[in-house]
Amino acid sequence: NAGVTQTPKFQVLKTGQSMTLQCAQDMNHNSMYWYRQDPGMGLRLIYYSASEGTTDKGEVPNGYNVSRLNKREFSLRLESAAPSQTSVYFCASSGENRAPRDYGYTFGSGTRLTVV
Amino acid sequence: QKEVEQNSGPLSVPEGAIASLNCTYSDRVSQSFFWYRQYSGKSPELIMSIYSNGDKEDGRFTAQLNKASQYVSLLIRDSQPSDSATYLCAARESGGSYIPTFGRGTSLIVHP
Repeated sequence: NAGVTQTPKFQVLKTGQSMTLQCAQDMNHNSMYWYRQDPGMGLRLIYYSASEGTTDKGEVPNGYNVSRLNKREFSLRLESAAPSQTSVYFCASSGENRAPRDYGYTFGSGTRLTVV
Repeated sequence: QKEVEQNSGPLSVPEGAIASLNCTYSDRVSQSFFWYRQYSGKSPELIMSIYSNGDKEDGRFTAQLNKASQYVSLLIRDSQPSDSATYLCAARESGGSYIPTFGRGTSLIVHP
């Protein structure tokens, strides 16, 4: 009954370092998402994957790349971290995504990233 | 550009009172609406969804939708200190990109 699992929970990077945030869901959901949340800015979509094999840019994709490895896993990569990427990152998944009556998102517990 | 507007608060209510959280949205094609609760330092958790005009009740929570006024609200009856959190409203189209637009959230404080 894990839902959406994110790793790591905390990370400190130096400017210019790279890292990958991992996300896995066990609910057989088609769609997966990466958001960042900053104080006063709300949730902002970085990238999403409507289904296995597809990825699309969200509102703030610059500086990030993603991989939908399989139906369960969706990773977010920072190639060269910058202080502006200090944030809390949430992975989310959802079931039906083309019906009016979907079931909303299930979020992971988040990754608190600090870039110094 | 779709927008979902929420008063950032904080909204402060006494224990046992009704807390009323409001949300307006700019896009008339939005069809699905969601309320998420986010405790400090935690991830958002879906608590209510609503698709039809009117009220939808789930325990102490009631979601209200008025599509003509582009307005959705969440009522929390018999508020408890454990309800203190930030409440996020989200609106989603029935088609198109199907990506919901989130409001920035309203902070609710329930004081004993």
